[in-house]
Amino acid sequence: LAKTTQPISMDSYEGQEVNITCSHNNIATNDYITWYQQFPSQGPRFIIQGYKTKVTNEVASLFIPADRKSSTLSLPRVSLSDTAVYYCLVGDKDGGSQGNLIFGKGTKLSVKP
Amino acid sequence: DAGVIQSPRHEVTEMGQEVTLRCKPISGHDYLFWYRQTMMRGLELLIYFNNNVPIDDSGMPEDRFSAKMPNASFSTLKIQPSEPRDSAVYFCASSPRGRGDGYTFGSGTRLTVV
Repeated sequence: LAKTTQPISMDSYEGQEVNITCSHNNIATNDYITWYQQFPSQGPRFIIQGYKTKVTNEVASLFIPADRKSSTLSLPRVSLSDTAVYYCLVGDKDGGSQGNLIFGKGTKLSVKP
Repeated sequence: DAGVIQSPRHEVTEMGQEVTLRCKPISGHDYLFWYRQTMMRGLELLIYFNNNVPIDDSGMPEDRFSAKMPNASFSTLKIQPSEPRDSAVYFCASSPRGRGDGYTFGSGTRLTVV
């Protein structure tokens, strides 16, 4: 499984756009990039997934350059409730023989008023 | 759907005692995962099942840990005997077809071994 590297922590203020970058230099052809969010005392929850270029949903955008060796999660106009740990994961989209997700340490985002 | 249900939410036990954690996955999800989370090590995958069959248990730390999935709606993670270093939050997650975008986690069981 491709290893990911992301900043340990980030600080932001309410209303700002936050971009969290993840490096995955040995990403495989079949790998997708997935981001999860974890609030204190809760399990992680899915935010967004992409393969290349840009993906957008009601929560975030995911930017993936052509070489796919990195990706950037973009959170528009964050609020205090976006304070959480954000995990970047790389792996097969479907299960098969590799139906599991390996989480790194994640990025702890702190949003201040 | 009520989501992934774990019990108990909190468990405090004495060293040497047996601990059993329980999980009810989302109906129709054919993958089930057990994770452990600590400050030091983050989220670690312990074991996962596909259609009730254990597929990969390489993350299980020691023989003191065992997991079963007797049917599609129930799984247990057992620690016997428990040790203080087992103190952590244990999460169960389920997914349809193991898709990376389809994991649903439970609220976790916070285990404290004293």
